[in-house]
Amino acid sequence: KNEVEQSPQNLTAQEGEFITINCSYSVGISALHWLQQHPGGGIVSLFMLSSGKKKHGRLIATINIQEKHSSLHITASHPRDSAVYICAAQTSGSRLTFGEGTQLTVNP
Amino acid sequence: DTEVTQTPKHLVMGMTNKKSLKCEQHMGHRAMYWYKQKAKKPPELMFVYSYEKLSINESVPSRFSPECPNSSLLNLHLHALQPEDSALYLCASTRTGGGDTEAFFGQGTRLTVV
Repeated sequence: KNEVEQSPQNLTAQEGEFITINCSYSVGISALHWLQQHPGGGIVSLFMLSSGKKKHGRLIATINIQEKHSSLHITASHPRDSAVYICAAQTSGSRLTFGEGTQLTVNP
Repeated sequence: DTEVTQTPKHLVMGMTNKKSLKCEQHMGHRAMYWYKQKAKKPPELMFVYSYEKLSINESVPSRFSPECPNSSLLNLHLHALQPEDSALYLCASTRTGGGDTEAFFGQGTRLTVV
């Protein structure tokens, strides 16, 4: 069993839909990261969470430390949101343990 | 400047070649990382430098040789690679090597070994 598990693996949505990606982890963490990777390869850090909820534009990330669970929400999804979204648990020091990623496709 | 810059973006090399990947950041970050990512897989940590000293080597084969000449620059020297080493190589940096710090990633170098 992976230490960080994401669901779903693949997600297809219509433009405008509300999207949720889930992440569960089984290790102790100092922070939980949500990352976005476009087909070109570069990774962009979306959020770093250690508690509660953060919002940036149409993106919202929440974390429940007791349940070891985090969610990434996208409101009013757009085709440009199509990317791989990766959850990563920050464990010892700055070591990141990555989930397998969620491939999101938003159709116009 | 919140960028991590990697060069080259693409690299094709033969199994007998020697090449280097370069990573640069000017955010004053003191921890820098090399990751290897195969297609449709998450990144795998290779090396961590903290305050210009190698702090983590994830049992990476010696044909990969990291170097951190100063706090802004991280190199990965490649020699006698195998075709299975073809992958996206990502560099990242964090403010320190401790916990709870945001990671900044470069765009990656897509390496093909022929």
